[in-house]
Amino acid sequence: QKEVEQNSGPLSVPEGAIASLNCTYSDRGSQSFFWYRQYSGKSPELIMFIYSNGDKEDGRFTAQLNKASQYVSLLIRDSQPSDSATYLCAGQYNQGGKLIFGQGTELSVKP
Amino acid sequence: GAGVSQSPSNKVTEKGKDVELRCDPISGHTALYWYRQSLGQGLEFLIYFQGNSAPDKSGLPSDRFSAERTGGSVSTLTIQRTQQEDSAVYLCASSSGQGGNEQFFGPGTRLTVL
Repeated sequence: QKEVEQNSGPLSVPEGAIASLNCTYSDRGSQSFFWYRQYSGKSPELIMFIYSNGDKEDGRFTAQLNKASQYVSLLIRDSQPSDSATYLCAGQYNQGGKLIFGQGTELSVKP
Repeated sequence: GAGVSQSPSNKVTEKGKDVELRCDPISGHTALYWYRQSLGQGLEFLIYFQGNSAPDKSGLPSDRFSAERTGGSVSTLTIQRTQQEDSAVYLCASSSGQGGNEQFFGPGTRLTVL
């Protein structure tokens, strides 16, 4: 059973701080990992994906992948109240195949 | 360009009735996915299409669920003899399927079975 685990939160950070969201996965064969943001009542919105060990940066977002530890994280710098949402981590075993989602972490950024 | 579209946005039905949910992927996207999201269950994969064929149907929860895709574009998810546990948001996603791996989600159909 391929699983992706996330702390459900809520994670609360002050405005301007760095938010760190974490995810672990059970299947070493997983190739790619995706971070989605989901506002309440809305569908998931892709933030970024990563498939190589190390860091990948896109604006205020940095995804980190450590395949040896089976660990994926998302850092949000200069957090804004508009970043308050649920963040979903997903793993993909085969390129182009289904995504296995974690339960999501609720982030709250306080002004 | 237009994103993934789904219809209807909301569907209320009575237990035992059949429902059809429609997904129109991003133009040119060859891969199409159905997921559902229910309280306490997270986001679950249902079925994946590459073109008109479905190489992965492993997430369909029972034989009451079926899906088809015609013309490599629009897909329909059919649930027969609906049960209350089928109540969820049904999400469709598409991907270019040509090296591009990202899946983009539609707005979803909220299904309520009374």
